[in-house]
Amino acid sequence: QKEVEQNSGPLSVPEGAIASLNCTYSDRGSQSFFWYRQYSGKSPELIMFIYSNGDKEDGRFTAQLNKASQYVSLLIRDSQPSDSATYLCAVIRDNQGGKLIFGQGTELSVKP
Amino acid sequence: GAVVSQHPSWVICKSGTSVKIECRSLDFQATTMFWYRQFPKQSLMLMATSNEGSKATYEQGVEKDKFLINHASLTLSTLTVTSAHPEDSSFYICSAGGGIWRGRAGYNEQFFGPGTRLTVL
Repeated sequence: QKEVEQNSGPLSVPEGAIASLNCTYSDRGSQSFFWYRQYSGKSPELIMFIYSNGDKEDGRFTAQLNKASQYVSLLIRDSQPSDSATYLCAVIRDNQGGKLIFGQGTELSVKP
Repeated sequence: GAVVSQHPSWVICKSGTSVKIECRSLDFQATTMFWYRQFPKQSLMLMATSNEGSKATYEQGVEKDKFLINHASLTLSTLTVTSAHPEDSSFYICSAGGGIWRGRAGYNEQFFGPGTRLTVL
């Protein structure tokens, strides 16, 4: 079992819809959770991070964390074609010196 | 986020040569720098973690004699791919973490460089 798992997709949504991206992790010692967006040929850029159970909102993005169920999700409201990218979920375990463990990424395609 | 640069952005070299990639954090004193490698259609794989002034810690399966990492200052880390071969062709990305950025501790945040695409012929 991979430590961080995501559906590889592609996930296709129409413009204006809500895109829902999911991620599960296996290590209960994971403390910090991140969502990165990566455009083709580019390096990842941080969208959001979340540490506590519940929801965290930033503009059109909402991260949701449920430590009991070991999943973290990212909702993108009013999806735009410019949101089309690969979304990477990453976690940090508290005793690993800040190392990010990445999932394989979910490819999102927003159709005009 | 903090600004991290990499140089060169792309490089093509012959098999057997060595290639040095620089990673600089321009507005952030990074106590820790991370080096990743990404093959096409795959996720980022951590190669090594380096703390300023000390030896890098390599992930399992990464040859430390082949991928030399130097982190001589809080703003500069280098990765040298020695005797590169075609299978080393990949997208190499650094990130800077730890330290203080804009007055707040950024230990759990990593700021990524733009990446270096290496092609070994």
